[in-house]
Amino acid sequence: DTEVTQTPKHLVMGMTNKKSLKCEQHMGHRAMYWYKQKAKKPPELMFVYSYEKLSINESVPSRFSPECPNSSLLNLHLHALQPEDSALYLCASSQAHGRGGGAYNEQFFGPGTRLTVL
Amino acid sequence: KNEVEQSPQNLTAQEGEFITINCSYSVGISALHWLQQHPGGGIVSLFMLSSGKKKHGRLIATINIQEKHSSLHITASHPRDSAVYICAVRSSTLIFGKGTRLHILP
Repeated sequence: DTEVTQTPKHLVMGMTNKKSLKCEQHMGHRAMYWYKQKAKKPPELMFVYSYEKLSINESVPSRFSPECPNSSLLNLHLHALQPEDSALYLCASSQAHGRGGGAYNEQFFGPGTRLTVL
Repeated sequence: KNEVEQSPQNLTAQEGEFITINCSYSVGISALHWLQQHPGGGIVSLFMLSSGKKKHGRLIATINIQEKHSSLHITASHPRDSAVYICAVRSSTLIFGKGTRLHILP
């Protein structure tokens, strides 16, 4: 199994709702990532988990709350979002997270969840 | 100035044409990725390279570390190649270019 899966594919929520995005991989990767991508823009890194611990938080507002319950799963809990948070949310994983150029740092991306906040 | 610059931003070509997309970067890197994204879709990794040249089917990627430049070539282009092609360099994290929007006309 060499893929990253994300659910749901599409999500529409109101500003008062609480919802969660899920990401799963079974490649034995120990690093997982959340990215946000607005239309016609490159992805922006939000969070990095390494060995189930949060290692990078790119100053993301607290209305986004990541969780890594185990090495295969990554969640993104959403609460009190704003319409400007509407975007494609991409999950990725790699064998490890680091500066090196080896294959262990190659990121595999999921198909994304398209989020619309009304 | 962006750390990763891609050119062209948009490219329309006829089916069968040879396509070249360029990427220049200004930071020290350990690897460079070429990624493909279809409209509304997720990202597919095409290549990761740190030197030389890689080939996969009709796709060829090259990198010149001294010149801090990489190219992605598509031979015998096809309408299904229409997508956004993104160059991303590995520093402490992935730094993405803005992408090249490719449209191949039948």
